[in-house]
Amino acid sequence: AQKVTQTQTSISVMEKTTVTMDCVYETQDSSYFLFWYKQTASGEIVFLIRQDSYKKENATVGHYSLNFQKPKSSIGLIITATQIEDSAVYFCAMREGDNYAQGLTFGLGTRVSVFP
Amino acid sequence: GGIITQTPKFLIGQEGQKLTLKCQQNFNHDTMYWYRQDSGKGLRLIYYSITENDLQKGDLSEGYDASREKKSSFSLTVTSAQKNEMAVFLCASKQGRNNQAPLFGEGTRLSVL
Repeated sequence: AQKVTQTQTSISVMEKTTVTMDCVYETQDSSYFLFWYKQTASGEIVFLIRQDSYKKENATVGHYSLNFQKPKSSIGLIITATQIEDSAVYFCAMREGDNYAQGLTFGLGTRVSVFP
Repeated sequence: GGIITQTPKFLIGQEGQKLTLKCQQNFNHDTMYWYRQDSGKGLRLIYYSITENDLQKGDLSEGYDASREKKSSFSLTVTSAQKNEMAVFLCASKQGRNNQAPLFGEGTRLSVL
């Protein structure tokens, strides 16, 4: 069975610095897809970035990038040049295999607080 | 762009009551999902549907029914609300045969008295 673990409950950083948060996953499948979402204080859930298991290059979108370490089953999220608006809860999620419609399995989230 | 609309935004029910939550999307997405989020926790899948009139159970389907009568809408019924239950129910949708990330609605916040 698939499982996603985010061990960091909360992280505090100063504005304009870099924050890194961890996520490890368990899967028996050779093909899987990893996602990061952000949940704002209002409850809105926003998709940020995706990593496909067969791709060796780390995905990057804007000031979000991933540190994909396949042998360690690890997919870290890196946010550079943080802004106050990056304060949110960040969720790591996974989908196994080739069933495009299958739902995602989520971690418990990491709360990031960005201070001026 | 499109939008996923969940109604109602807030729902207060009584113990044992049957409660229905609705979700509409205008992305023309094939697949729709219902997730439950308890306070401080991650999201857990209740039901999903890959097309009109299709229903697939998630890990948390017990105590819930779902209905997908149209491609654009997906409803969830709490069959018997539990006393003091509090959770947010999130609807999501995605296009069918690709690896795009599901997009989420703003949620329905449920409180049971």
